[in-house]
Amino acid sequence: DVKVTQSSRYLVKRTGEKVFLECVQDMDHENMFWYRQDPGLGLRLIYFSYDVKMKEKGDIPEGYSVSREKKERFSLILESASTNQTSMYLCASSLCYLQSSYNEQFFGPGTRLTVL
Amino acid sequence: GIQVEQSPPDLILQEGANSTLRCNFSDSVNNLQWFHQNPWGQLINLFYIPSGTKQNGRLSATTVATERYSLLYISSSQTTDSGVYFCAVVWETSGSRLTFGEGTQLTVNP
Repeated sequence: DVKVTQSSRYLVKRTGEKVFLECVQDMDHENMFWYRQDPGLGLRLIYFSYDVKMKEKGDIPEGYSVSREKKERFSLILESASTNQTSMYLCASSLCYLQSSYNEQFFGPGTRLTVL
Repeated sequence: GIQVEQSPPDLILQEGANSTLRCNFSDSVNNLQWFHQNPWGQLINLFYIPSGTKQNGRLSATTVATERYSLLYISSSQTTDSGVYFCAVVWETSGSRLTFGEGTQLTVNP
């Protein structure tokens, strides 16, 4: 079974803090994704990566950065947390960017981040 | 970009009832997935179904790609089926990115 883990289930930070959200997958997947989920806005893609040290902006990258130094780990960084970044953050992975068939995404348990 | 619409937005059932959730999408897709989001927020994979029909226990799904819709059937519903059901697609020109519908909130009462 694919397993995607996230470093924290709940996190409380203060405005202006630098925040790191970590995601690890154990299935040698090439693709990794960060989404945020907000009531009324659904799930939106922040950033994704299809290879080590590669990254692509999603739909709402402003205020975020990412790091992928190893294939199994994808980090989301909030350089200076703000209250409007209070949200549920979900990490996902899938097998291969170029594979058009059977590229199912698997999600981690999520991190509920509150910025005070 | 692609539009993904789910219906109904809310559904309330008595335990034991059957239901059908619908997902319409506005363009050709490579992949389609159905998820159940549990009360703790985790997205559970139900089906990977870009076309055809699949069954898993009391759940089944059908995607008719040429007509741009997918259906999720839940039979003999249980209270543990409660939660939000999402349809998500990979648009043909979007690489591996999923675009989500807004979800169907299902409540199953005992």
